[in-house]
Amino acid sequence: NAGVMQNPRHLVRRRGQEARLRCSPMKGHSHVYWYRQLPEEGLKFMVYLQKENIIDESGMPKERFSAEFPKEGPSILRIQQVVRGDSAAYFCASSPTKESGNEQFFGPGTRLTVL
Amino acid sequence: GDSVTQMEGPVTLSEEAFLTINCTYTATGYPSLFWYVQYPGEGLQLLLKATKADDKGSNKGFEATYRKETTSFHLEKGSVQVSDSAVYFCALSALNTGTASKLTFGTGTRLQVTL
Repeated sequence: NAGVMQNPRHLVRRRGQEARLRCSPMKGHSHVYWYRQLPEEGLKFMVYLQKENIIDESGMPKERFSAEFPKEGPSILRIQQVVRGDSAAYFCASSPTKESGNEQFFGPGTRLTVL
Repeated sequence: GDSVTQMEGPVTLSEEAFLTINCTYTATGYPSLFWYVQYPGEGLQLLLKATKADDKGSNKGFEATYRKETTSFHLEKGSVQVSDSAVYFCALSALNTGTASKLTFGTGTRLQVTL
């Protein structure tokens, strides 16, 4: 059973460009979470999605950031008009259910560098 | 809101030394508690978890006990190895009135084990 897959692993963008990060959850998992890790910091929750629905986006910046999890295909985190402060590692996690007792399985992350 | 506080690192130990990494939390209700480990350049891996008071999570020689009275979940290992060198994150997950069970992380504690 393949784990959570993220691509690309490394992404370099210039200021003003768009960054698109993909996440394929584990087989059988319908809950996806995105987290951001700034250098030397812990992970911060961004958004929680189920298929075709955003359940909680309380951690998402109000502008330039969006996320989706379509019926078919991976979850996408999109950052428009990137700025240097967006440089971070972005991790996706998935779980089979929403209950807090179930662990979340993390992907290897996408490391975004904004020049 | 929910929060997790970990002891600051780095923690440097000699091989076979005893390890303690302190973790305390603030949460409404009864959260589940987790320890995740992150090796350089990789995503997070679940190390152990506990879902209710007095539960002890254990894995690979690591253990932590859910102490409701002190709101703590300290990580311990009796004899560390060089291969344990990594960053360790304490986290909690608490169902609220919504449906999200997002993880709230501490800032992480870097462990360096030397020969």
